[in-house]
Amino acid sequence: GNSVTQMEGPVTLSEEAFLTINCTYTATGYPSLFWYVQYPGEGLQLLLKATKADDKGSNKGFEATYRKETTSFHLEKGSVQVSDSAVYFCALIRSGAGSYQLTFGKGTKLSVIP
Amino acid sequence: DSGVTQTPKHLITATGQRVTLRCSPRSGDLSVYWYQQSLDQGLQFLIQYYNGEERAKGNILERFSAQQFPDLHSELNLSSLELGDSALYFCASNAGQTFTDTQYFGPGTRLTVL
Repeated sequence: GNSVTQMEGPVTLSEEAFLTINCTYTATGYPSLFWYVQYPGEGLQLLLKATKADDKGSNKGFEATYRKETTSFHLEKGSVQVSDSAVYFCALIRSGAGSYQLTFGKGTKLSVIP
Repeated sequence: DSGVTQTPKHLITATGQRVTLRCSPRSGDLSVYWYQQSLDQGLQFLIQYYNGEERAKGNILERFSAQQFPDLHSELNLSSLELGDSALYFCASNAGQTFTDTQYFGPGTRLTVL
């Protein structure tokens, strides 16, 4: 079946540090890949997505590139801010036969300190 | 404010009981998605409805059921509750029937089973 593996958290960084959150996946075919963010006390927000190999999703300074050869979709940001403190979820969707399967990673908690 | 409303905000009940969670999508959105977030299981997609019809099913237990009404609001029914059903239940909505389109999440209903 499909699976998503994220790096274990929590991750604590100083403001303006470089962020990488690793995500690798297992799926047949060509899934679409997503990063979601959950701020404290809130629901999920779509951060970025990529629907085919070599696509780069980007939003709010975050980037992730769909790497089929390494089955990865690592999230990066060049300079984090305190406001980026949240839980980040990597996810994939695999479509087929008129339906789809959605799989989330376990989430990585990021804390950014001033 | 995403425009998606969920009631109640908190629910405390006992094992073996049945509860109903309600979700009203954003005005004009035809799809409603239900998710469960717990410490044990992480974040899981449960089910999607589009314009009153079931569109996709995820890891939803047989004890759980959902429906979407003609006014497009949706209800998630959880029966024969167990301690492990304690979780945060989110609903989300979007205009089309495609998961990959941006989903707008409600604030969630926190269910505690004692």
